[in-house]
Amino acid sequence: DVKVTQSSRYLVKRTGEKVFLECVQDMDHENMFWYRQDPGLGLRLIYFSYDVKMKEKGDIPEGYSVSREKKERFSLILESASTNQTSMYLCASRDDATQYFGPGTRLLVL
Amino acid sequence: QKEVEQNSGPLSVPEGAIASLNCTYSDRGSQSFFWYRQYSGKSPELIMSIYSNGDKEDGRFTAQLNKASQYVSLLIRDSQPSDSATYLCAVNMYSGGSNYKLTFGKGTLLTVNP
Repeated sequence: DVKVTQSSRYLVKRTGEKVFLECVQDMDHENMFWYRQDPGLGLRLIYFSYDVKMKEKGDIPEGYSVSREKKERFSLILESASTNQTSMYLCASRDDATQYFGPGTRLLVL
Repeated sequence: QKEVEQNSGPLSVPEGAIASLNCTYSDRGSQSFFWYRQYSGKSPELIMSIYSNGDKEDGRFTAQLNKASQYVSLLIRDSQPSDSATYLCAVNMYSGGSNYKLTFGKGTLLTVNP
């Protein structure tokens, strides 16, 4: 079974803090993705990566950055958290055919 | 802008009925299509994929694809209360170079009433 894990299920941070969300997959997939999901807005792609040290902006990259130093790990960074970044964050990993999601991190920024 | 549209719902059906979920997409070149189920507070899980025109059946689920009409649907037969969830349609769309990425619809909330 493909396994995608995320470092935290729930996270509470204060405005202005730097926040790291970690994602690890165990299937040697090249493609990894970060989404956020908000009521009424659906899943929106923040960043994705097709290979180590490679990253591409998704639909809503502003306020975020990413890091992919190893194939199995894809990190999402909020440089200075703001209240409008309160959301559910979902990491995904994909082989040629199928995309698998991690359990999600629910982030609250106060 | 490449888009995926789903019937907005919510959709409510009685237990044992057929639930029909619909999706249209804008990119005529898309070749692969997926249905994900998402329970409240959980992450999406893949339930069906379809690549060719026609029907694909898996247990109580049938996915239907019509590329000419740019339409994909999911039928759930003998609906059960445990099928109550949000269903996300996803389409693999070209994103430049040799890369593709999934574009998701906003989802349809299905409630199956006992």
